[in-house]
Amino acid sequence: QEQLQESGPGLVKPSGTLSLTCTVSGASISRYYWSWIRQAPGKGLEWIGYIYYSGSTNYNPSLKSRVTMSVDTSKNQFSLNLTSVTAADTAVYFCARGSEWLYSWGQGTLVTVSS
Amino acid sequence: DIQLTQSPSFLSASVGDRVTITCRASQGFSTYLAWYQQKPGKAPKLLIYAASTLQSGVPSRFSGSGSGTEFTLTISSLQPEDFATYYCQQLNSDPYSFGQGTNLEIK
Repeated sequence: QEQLQESGPGLVKPSGTLSLTCTVSGASISRYYWSWIRQAPGKGLEWIGYIYYSGSTNYNPSLKSRVTMSVDTSKNQFSLNLTSVTAADTAVYFCARGSEWLYSWGQGTLVTVSS
Repeated sequence: DIQLTQSPSFLSASVGDRVTITCRASQGFSTYLAWYQQKPGKAPKLLIYAASTLQSGVPSRFSGSGSGTEFTLTISSLQPEDFATYYCQQLNSDPYSFGQGTNLEIK
């Protein structure tokens, strides 16, 4: 079964850009859709969006103006950029395989927005 | 947007109990619903998709049902490893929203 691993800075300054990468092993990124989900501390899950290897995307409308996802097939990775972050974007960010049913997940990475 | 409300939010039960968690939707839809289990500090795990299809490797004591505005997750006989938080998620329309979660604790 595939494994997913998130990576990126754990601390981002307010108004800055949050950038995360998910590295996939055990599966070709070109075969599936890939998603990002986040969870604020002590809170529930929030769907951010998904991307297909072709570059086709679908974002949560509440975040759409600030979100960009991309895929690097040569590295078997996909990425998330979230601009103009505030403290409300502090959360554990998960990557996952799938666009609807999220079959497998990374362990998650905590990103804190603070000066 | 479709809002999902889970009930109860907190549930205390004993090993061997049968428990049911309900997910109610603000708008009806067919079977575009999934259930996830999350343990503290871990990623969620897919249990049920398409409202009633058991994900591979998930014990058969878990089952899902429903359509329209009411969906249920049932655990037929609680095991110690089942104490966790459970979330429903609708995939019928954007944004793919989650319920607020049900925290299942040991009595």
